[in-house]
Amino acid sequence: QKEVEQDPGPLSVPEGAIVSLNCTYSNSAFQYFMWYRQYSRKGPELLMYTYSSGNKEDGRFTAQVDKSSKYISLFIRDSQPSDSATYLCAMSVAAGNKLTFGGGTRVLVKP
Amino acid sequence: DTEVTQTPKHLVMGMTNKKSLKCEQHMGHRAMYWYKQKAKKPPELMFVYSYEKLSINESVPSRFSPECPNSSLLNLHLHALQPEDSALYLCASSRQPGQIYEQYFGPGTRLTVT
Repeated sequence: QKEVEQDPGPLSVPEGAIVSLNCTYSNSAFQYFMWYRQYSRKGPELLMYTYSSGNKEDGRFTAQVDKSSKYISLFIRDSQPSDSATYLCAMSVAAGNKLTFGGGTRVLVKP
Repeated sequence: DTEVTQTPKHLVMGMTNKKSLKCEQHMGHRAMYWYKQKAKKPPELMFVYSYEKLSINESVPSRFSPECPNSSLLNLHLHALQPEDSALYLCASSRQPGQIYEQYFGPGTRLTVT
């Protein structure tokens, strides 16, 4: 079993819909939770990070962490075709540790 | 500005060649990273430099040789690579080694080994 599980998709939604992404993990020591967006043949782009549990909002993006369930989510409101990309979750036990990535979810937003 | 630049964008090399990848950041970040990413897979950490010193080597074969000449520049020297080393090589940086949660990636160098 992988430490971080993420549905590979593709997840196809119509433009304007809410995109819901999630990752589950097995290591209860993870404290930092990140979401990256990666367009085809480009480097990952940090969207947001959260520490420990709770929610964080940045524009159309909302990240949620539920440590009791070992489950994190990313919601994208009012999705646009430009949101079509692969979304990677990543986690770390401590601030200086290496990142453990999920496998990524491919998202397609159709006009 | 959160820009990490990498050159070249594409590189094709034979198994007997020697080449280098270059990464630069001018954000004053003191931690820099090399990752390898195969198609449809997440990035895999290769090396970490903290304050220009190699702090983590994820058991990478010696045909990959990193170098950090100064706080803004990171190189990856390649020699006698194998076709299975073909991948996207990503550089990243963070403000401090202890701020891995705020890591910024470059666009990558797509390497093909023939």
